[in-house]
Amino acid sequence: QKEVEQNSGPLSVPEGAIASLNCTYSDRGSQSFFWYRQYSGKSPELIMFIYSNGDKEDGRFTAQLNKASQYVSLLIRDSQPSDSATYLCAVNAPGGFKTIFGAGTRLFVKA
Amino acid sequence: ETGVTQSPTHLIKTRGQQVTLRCSSQSGHNTVSWYQQALGQGPQFIFQYYREEENGRGNFPPRFSGLQFPNYSSELNVNALELDDSALYLCASSLDLAGGTDTQYFGPGTRLTVL
Repeated sequence: QKEVEQNSGPLSVPEGAIASLNCTYSDRGSQSFFWYRQYSGKSPELIMFIYSNGDKEDGRFTAQLNKASQYVSLLIRDSQPSDSATYLCAVNAPGGFKTIFGAGTRLFVKA
Repeated sequence: ETGVTQSPTHLIKTRGQQVTLRCSSQSGHNTVSWYQQALGQGPQFIFQYYREEENGRGNFPPRFSGLQFPNYSSELNVNALELDDSALYLCASSLDLAGGTDTQYFGPGTRLTVL
């Protein structure tokens, strides 16, 4: 079992729709959870972080965390073609020094 | 822009050679982490330095080594290059020990090709 698992996609949504990206993690002691966006040939950029169970909203983005189910998700409302990228889920291992990334989900937003 | 820079942008080496990649962190950031990202994969944690000491290491062999300097710059050294070392190498700096509430800021990466 991989430590952080994501559906590789590609996930294709029409412009204006909601894109839903999912991630599961194996270490129940994990405390910090991050979503990064990575455009082709570029480095990851942080979109959101979440530490507590529940929802966290920032503009068009909502991160959801369920520690009991070891599940993190990212919702993108009103998806735009510029949102087309790979979305990486990342988890900080207990102890804090190691960040474990999933393989990423490729998102395509069709105009 | 994250304020983190890396050099060189691209590099081509042959198998068996040695390579040094460089990173300049944001001023005041005491922690730097290095990652290897193969094509189609997520970044894999190599190691982390905090105040010039190695603070943790991922599943990489000893031929991957690093240094962090007082001026917020750091190096990743790879000896005896193998074909599988071809990847994008990323450094990420953070104010303090990465984890908890601390955000990592990634540099643009160095694309290493081993022939």
